Amino acid sequence: KAGVTQTPRYLIKTRGQQVTLSCSPISGHRSVSWYQQTPGQGLQFLFEYFSETQRNKGNFPGRFSGRQFSNSRSEMNVSTLELGDSALYLCASSLGGRYTGELFFGEGSRLTVL
Amino acid sequence: QKEVEQNSGPLSVPEGAIASLNCTYSDRVSQSFFWYRQYSGKSPELIMSIYSNGDKEDGRFTAQLNKASQYVSLLIRDSQPSDSATYLCAVKRDTGRRALTFGSGTRLQVQP
Repeated sequence: KAGVTQTPRYLIKTRGQQVTLSCSPISGHRSVSWYQQTPGQGLQFLFEYFSETQRNKGNFPGRFSGRQFSNSRSEMNVSTLELGDSALYLCASSLGGRYTGELFFGEGSRLTVL
Repeated sequence: QKEVEQNSGPLSVPEGAIASLNCTYSDRVSQSFFWYRQYSGKSPELIMSIYSNGDKEDGRFTAQLNKASQYVSLLIRDSQPSDSATYLCAVKRDTGRRALTFGSGTRLQVQP
């Protein structure tokens, strides 16, 4: 069974640009969550989607947005990049429902903003 | 006060010893509790989930939950060098729209 796939794995952007990250969940998983991980802040919750609907949103500015498609694949977008957006962005999928906390993480997309 | 608190460590134990990792949480309505392991440069992976008070054992791992005292712990018996990693505690409220909240993790070092 294939795991969670995230693309791209690494990317470098400059301030003011925008970036789109992609996530393909485990087959059969309908819930997708996104987290930002930095050494100083740890894992910070960004969004959670289930069946194309945003179920939860973390405390991030509106520059961070996401969506989920009918095949459960998800994308997140960050506009007007800032230096502080440099981080590892992790996508995780789950069956949803009572299993929402049992997350399976992808390898992450490491974003560097120069 | 952070929602989920863990001692950052490092917690150093000799090979074969019991490693005890602790976590406290502030939201009394939390109902689901999880331990994730993250090796350096890798993504977190789920190792234990616990939903009711008491102990839950899985191989060398035992999770303990005490909702009255708002703490959850993870015991690793017969610790191996391969257990050296950061252990993340995560909690979730099952009612209302609350996502899984992670602690900052405890780094465990198992000395050969």
